[in-house]
Amino acid sequence: NAGVTQTPKFRVLKTGQSMTLLCAQDMNHEYMYWYRQDPGMGLRLIHYSVGEGTTAKGEVPDGYNVSRLKKQNFLLGLESAAPSQTSVYFCASSRQGYTEAFFGQGTRLTVV
Amino acid sequence: QQQVKQSPQSLIVQKGGISIINCAYENTAFDYFPWYQQFPGKGPALLIAIRPDVSEKKEGRFTISFNKSAKQFSLHIMDSQPGDSATYFCAGLQGGYNKLIFGAGTRLAVHP
Repeated sequence: NAGVTQTPKFRVLKTGQSMTLLCAQDMNHEYMYWYRQDPGMGLRLIHYSVGEGTTAKGEVPDGYNVSRLKKQNFLLGLESAAPSQTSVYFCASSRQGYTEAFFGQGTRLTVV
Repeated sequence: QQQVKQSPQSLIVQKGGISIINCAYENTAFDYFPWYQQFPGKGPALLIAIRPDVSEKKEGRFTISFNKSAKQFSLHIMDSQPGDSATYFCAGLQGGYNKLIFGAGTRLAVHP
């Protein structure tokens, strides 16, 4: 029972490069989320999805895109990375009708 | 605009003491108030949560006190232990799709 798995765990990008972060959950949850965690700012919602094929913007969506082609996967893309996107990214999932969110172990991204 | 304000940023408590973390919220649309606990290198995990129609909830050594009129809630950790050393986040949950709005976090250190 893996729960929520994020790939990769660490990544260093150069400014302007692109990359995709993968989140996979094996709990058959309907809802999935991407958060970023920065010191002194807690976790902030980037984008979320309420079902396969759906996505919506969160608090800080600029510079990111997402896709949910399969129910178990939620991808976060950075088309042109900027140093301001240096952060720890967390994926989470939750079940419709329940309030608890389950988080992955995080991806530490550094943009130089 | 920060919808959930959390204090203090950091807290040092002696083993056996009481740890108190406070949060205030602005969004009256929140319909659930969870606390998440995060250990270094891990994702946050749900610790305890309360609905706004309840003034207090206790689970073991952890208690949430909720004051709806003041729009404030707090986490009390009784008999604090070194194993409680972690970062704690309060949050408000926006109903419908379980979106979490987090406070900035409190880093708790419990000294033996």
